[in-house]
Formats: sequence, C-alpha cells, structure tokens
Amino acid sequence: AQTVTQSQPEMSVQEAETVTLSCTYDTSESDYYLFWYKQPPSRQMILVIRQEAYKQQNATENRFSVNFQKAAKSFSLKISDSQLGDAAMYFCAYRSARKTGNQFYFGTGTSLTVIP
Amino acid sequence: GAGVSQSPSNKVTEKGKDVELRCDPISGHTALYWYRQSLGQGLEFLIYFQGNSAPDKSGLPSDRFSAERTGGSVSTLTIQRTQQEDSAVYLCASSRTGLGDYEQYFGPGTRLTVT
Repeated sequence: AQTVTQSQPEMSVQEAETVTLSCTYDTSESDYYLFWYKQPPSRQMILVIRQEAYKQQNATENRFSVNFQKAAKSFSLKISDSQLGDAAMYFCAYRSARKTGNQFYFGTGTSLTVIP
Repeated sequence: GAGVSQSPSNKVTEKGKDVELRCDPISGHTALYWYRQSLGQGLEFLIYFQGNSAPDKSGLPSDRFSAERTGGSVSTLTIQRTQQEDSAVYLCASSRTGLGDYEQYFGPGTRLTVT
C-alpha cells in the first residue's frame, strides 16, 4: 500500500508571511493524483489544491501553490501571505490513477498556527 | 447544492452497545468513503464503495465493523459491541466517480464517544 508522510506535526507562521508544509509519499506507480486538504476546527475537510502526476507544471490556486518533485516523491504546499483563516490541520493525500482499488491515502497532518 | 451530510453529529454510547452512523452523499456521486479520525491523528481508511462494484473493505479494523450502501446512495456504518478504542470522529466522503482526479467532498463527521 502507498504511504504518505508529513514530517511536521506542527508549524507556525506570522500573518502575511509564507510557510511551506512538506509531504512525501511512497509509490511504485507512475500515474497518480496528489491533494492537499484543509481541516479547520469545524472539522469540515476542504480541498485546497490538487496535482496530476503526469503534469510537470506545479498547481497554483491563489495564495496556495505546490512544489511537486516526482523523482523525489515530494509534494509540498506553500501558503503565501498567510491569513488567520489559514489556521487549520492540513492533510496531504495520494490517489492512484488505476481503475480499481484506488482509495485515497492520507498523511497524519500538519497543524498550522497563524500568529497575528 | 447540498453537501455530504452525516448523522448524528455526536453519539455517546456505552461499551458493548451497537451504533449506526449514517452518511448521505452528494446526489449523483458514485463513490463513497468512510474514514476514522482519532484525536490528533490522520485519516484511517475504513471502506470504499464505487457504484455497483463490491466494496473495498480492506480498512475495516475488525469484524465488529460493517457498512452498507443502499440504492447506491445512503450509507450506514455499523459498529457492533463498541469498545472504548472505537471512540473517534467518523468521516464520510463522496466523489463524483472513483476514477480520475475528482476530489472527495467530506461530511462534517460523527463524533463517537464510547463510555
């Protein structure tokens, strides 16, 4: 089974600054999808950004961008101009592109604190 | 449109009792997932339904756990003879399909406390 590792249980960032959350994964597959989800205290998981492994260009969604290094199996999330509302748990997730058994695999999460 | 809903939002039960947790996915979504999230932990995959295919039950921790999905829509997760270690938040998610980069839409979860 694939494994997803988030080595930073907790991170903090000053408001308006930039922070990078790391994620690595282990797979033997060549085609897959990667996701970052945000879980605020309300518990509602929300998709932040996604990346297709076959695309070399890093995905970007407003203040959120990723650094996808396929050879290194690394998928970090950069949050620019951090806002108080960014405070949450962030989960990295992997999903195979094969047609069966393609469940999501989640990391253990990084708790992000934004300091005013 | 309506998102994924789960009920109840909180459930307190005594050790040894059975509980049923309900998930209403987004209409038209063919894929449905159940996860368990223990305090301060990540998401533990439990079971995955995709259309009319046999469910992927590989994540169920014991035979006390079972789930069904009726008519390809509503799903019920049943935990029999609950134990204190079953205390967690149970999250349900649905996806338009089980293929491709379609994202999962999560419900708010059911917090289960076993006393």
